Amino acid sequence: AQSVTQPDIHITVSEGASLELRCNYSYGATPYLFWYVQSPGQGLQLLLKYFSGDTLVQGIKGFEAEFKRSQSSFNLRKPSVHWSDAAEYFCAVGFQKLVFGTGTRLLVSP
Amino acid sequence: EAGVAQSPRYKIIEKRQSVAFWCNPISGHATLYWYQQILGQGPKLLIQFQNNGVVDDSQLPKDRFSAERLKGVDSTLKIQPAKLEDSAVYLCASSPDNSGNTIYFGEGSWLTVV
Repeated sequence: AQSVTQPDIHITVSEGASLELRCNYSYGATPYLFWYVQSPGQGLQLLLKYFSGDTLVQGIKGFEAEFKRSQSSFNLRKPSVHWSDAAEYFCAVGFQKLVFGTGTRLLVSP
Repeated sequence: EAGVAQSPRYKIIEKRQSVAFWCNPISGHATLYWYQQILGQGPKLLIQFQNNGVVDDSQLPKDRFSAERLKGVDSTLKIQPAKLEDSAVYLCASSPDNSGNTIYFGEGSWLTVV
């Protein structure tokens, strides 16, 4: 069965510190991989996506993610977090339809 | 470019009542999705349309949920009768084709069933 695991429900990071959000998936083949961000009361905004090729992908707002086939992972990273990054982050996988993880809520402390 | 439009943004109804949500996708997008996002969970696909045809409705509770996209443009999602567990955000999304490589989401319609 297709599934996405985001093991961290909440993460608190100090402003200016680095960030890594974990995502592991289970799928029949290497699917398309996505990270979305959702601010309170808002819809989902695409941060970045991986289809093929270079396993390190760059996204908007200074985010990047690395696909590791051997670990079935697609972790999201940012070198320096800003207070405005506080939001819920969702990893998703699939082709025509997406399967989402349960999300990781990022809190940014001053 | 206008995004995916949804209305109403917020709705509170009593259980056993009915409710309808409307979605207007990005112009020219052939594929339209409805997702349900329960608080604390990730979005779950309810139904996928390709133009005005249903591609996947395997997770749509058909005893109470219905959706249509008659002219292949905008879409409505109806719940009748609503249950308490239907309280969720209903997200509409669209994509230019059915490859799934770029899906754009609306801001969602927030439903509370009391």
